[in-house]
Amino acid sequence: NAGVMQNPRHLVRRRGQEARLRCSPVKGHSHVYWYRQLPEEGLKFMVYLQKENIIDESGMPKERFSAEFPKEGPSILRIQQVVRGDSAAYFCASSPSGDNYGYTFGSGTRLTVV
Amino acid sequence: AQTVTQSQPEMSVQEAETVTLSCTYDTSESDYYLFWYKQPPSRQMILVIRQEAYKQQNATENRFSVNFQKAAKSFSLKISDSQLGDAAMYFCAYRSLGGGAQKLVFGQGTRLTINP
Repeated sequence: NAGVMQNPRHLVRRRGQEARLRCSPVKGHSHVYWYRQLPEEGLKFMVYLQKENIIDESGMPKERFSAEFPKEGPSILRIQQVVRGDSAAYFCASSPSGDNYGYTFGSGTRLTVV
Repeated sequence: AQTVTQSQPEMSVQEAETVTLSCTYDTSESDYYLFWYKQPPSRQMILVIRQEAYKQQNATENRFSVNFQKAAKSFSLKISDSQLGDAAMYFCAYRSLGGGAQKLVFGQGTRLTINP
């Protein structure tokens, strides 16, 4: 029974390129969350999605960042025209439907922008 | 907006001893959840323990227990009989109750070192 799967584990992009981070939630989980962790800091909420809907994107930068969770397939966090400040670990978590306080986190994708 | 503060960037403890990690938070809500997460070098976020604010009884999970002081908005983690595998970053987190309030608010973390 796989947990939350994130890939790639490490991603290197040059400034100006696009980064696509993938998250497959636990089977049966319909809620997905993305968090960003800068070095030596705690995780910061970015976006909360349910299938085909963005529920809360209050933590997403207004430009260059987008997220989706299609009916079929993994959730994608997309960063266009990456800059050095985007270098961080990006974590995905999932939970079942309903007001469940239990998250399952993935192991994160470490994005390095060179 | 809620905030979570961990005032101890680093802590160390001798193996088999007890250590307490501090966490305070700020909220105007009366019902909420509090969590401690462990992040070892593998980067995986592992739930250690959780507490519902409406429960007066402090949560306990084996060697891990919390001291939840609602009026003081304090939520400390006590690790008894520390083991080498406990070495990690520890994050305190807050979550509002209900509906669409699903996001976690994390503190800055405390790096725990276990000395053999």
